[in-house]
Amino acid sequence: GAVVSQHPSWVICKSGTSVKIECRSLDFQATTMFWYRQFPKQSLMLMATSNEGSKATYEQGVEKDKFLINHASLTLSTLTVTSAHPEDSSFYICSARRQRGSYEQYFGPGTRLTVT
Amino acid sequence: DAKTTQPPSMDCAEGRAANLPCNHSTISGNEYVYWYRQIHSQGPQYIIHGLKNNETNEMASLIITEDRKSSTLILPHATLRDTAVYYCIASHYGQNFVFGPGTRLSVLP
Repeated sequence: GAVVSQHPSWVICKSGTSVKIECRSLDFQATTMFWYRQFPKQSLMLMATSNEGSKATYEQGVEKDKFLINHASLTLSTLTVTSAHPEDSSFYICSARRQRGSYEQYFGPGTRLTVT
Repeated sequence: DAKTTQPPSMDCAEGRAANLPCNHSTISGNEYVYWYRQIHSQGPQYIIHGLKNNETNEMASLIITEDRKSSTLILPHATLRDTAVYYCIASHYGQNFVFGPGTRLSVLP
């Protein structure tokens, strides 16, 4: 299967600071990447769809000014959590979608964010 | 995209086949069925997908009913490492994945 990496795998930051998470597709080009959030004992929830070279599309209830997404190349998307608060603590997971065939998504290993 | 429903949990004996069902009665003609699994604190792992025909790969088999309203994921010889939450998703071309609660599969020694 295809490989998607995320960096960092975990991060602890103070309330009010910003944190950037990188998502890379290592062995295929992805015009579309997705960002999900997962709280403990819950399922993944889609936050936004990131398209290379254009603005991200955010799901209802997700603040676009708080969760900044940049998809500057076919292999890299970044999520920046601005002015983080303790309630933003969560497991953030990205995925990259194949452009051809049946368009399956491949997921990164996730980033655990803890805001103190 | 169509909603899917799965049983919340299942047990399977090690070495036996694990059959995980999924209902997607409102699936449309061009929606694929995708299966993923998630082991604790990791990103979901792709398993298999299909549109109409049954599919098999090195990990699993996917059986889709003729009316496409349900499917079954089959792990032919379950091992302890197959213990995970399994998600069934119906989607147009891999867009807008909606993750339900999935099925928590426990493989027992």
